[in-house]
Amino acid sequence: DTAVSQTPKYLVTQMGNDKSIKCEQNLGHDTMYWYKQDSKKFLKIMFSYNNKELIINETVPNRFSPKSPDKAHLNLHINSLELGDSAVYFCASSLTSGRNSGELFFGEGSRLTVL
Amino acid sequence: DAKTTQPPSMDCAEGRAANLPCNHSTISGNEYVYWYRQIHSQGPQYIIHGLKNNETNEMASLIITEDRKSSTLILPHATLRDTAVYYCIVRPGGSNYKLTFGKGTLLTVNP
Repeated sequence: DTAVSQTPKYLVTQMGNDKSIKCEQNLGHDTMYWYKQDSKKFLKIMFSYNNKELIINETVPNRFSPKSPDKAHLNLHINSLELGDSAVYFCASSLTSGRNSGELFFGEGSRLTVL
Repeated sequence: DAKTTQPPSMDCAEGRAANLPCNHSTISGNEYVYWYRQIHSQGPQYIIHGLKNNETNEMASLIITEDRKSSTLILPHATLRDTAVYYCIVRPGGSNYKLTFGKGTLLTVNP
């Protein structure tokens, strides 16, 4: 049973297209995240949702729109894809509060390649 | 805006203890020290965290200095599968705080 699952694992698309990456967690967590890891391997947070409410929104182009239909799902939709969007996108989840709120569980990543 | 400093790389012999250092001299009183690792092509994996006391779990031990300005992650018996980038992160306890990854330390365990 995968705790945090992302689909698709690989995505190759043309510039200008719109694509979505889906994420689901079965850990009962109420906070979910999207991170981006670029070709230089820097891992940067993009968004965080708590109980379907956006709580962290880093300086991300508004072409990126996260959507959380319920607390177990956080999807990432990207409009008008650009070459610089090529990266591995990681979804993660955690508890909101308490001593273990910084213990994030990550998915295996979705590698996006924009041609 | 990394708040931690780690060596870029380290080597360790298989079966020996791996001691990974981290400096966090500007740590605040309410900030925890977290350690994560990322094995090649996988998602980051939580290892351990602590506030001021030393901590141990099935994966590793975390030693935090008394002044809390530095810490050491210890993998007691490193295996080849422990080869990964190890990240030391400081973060306040509680909700709504970011977990900000720096460059980490690439630990290579050699046979």
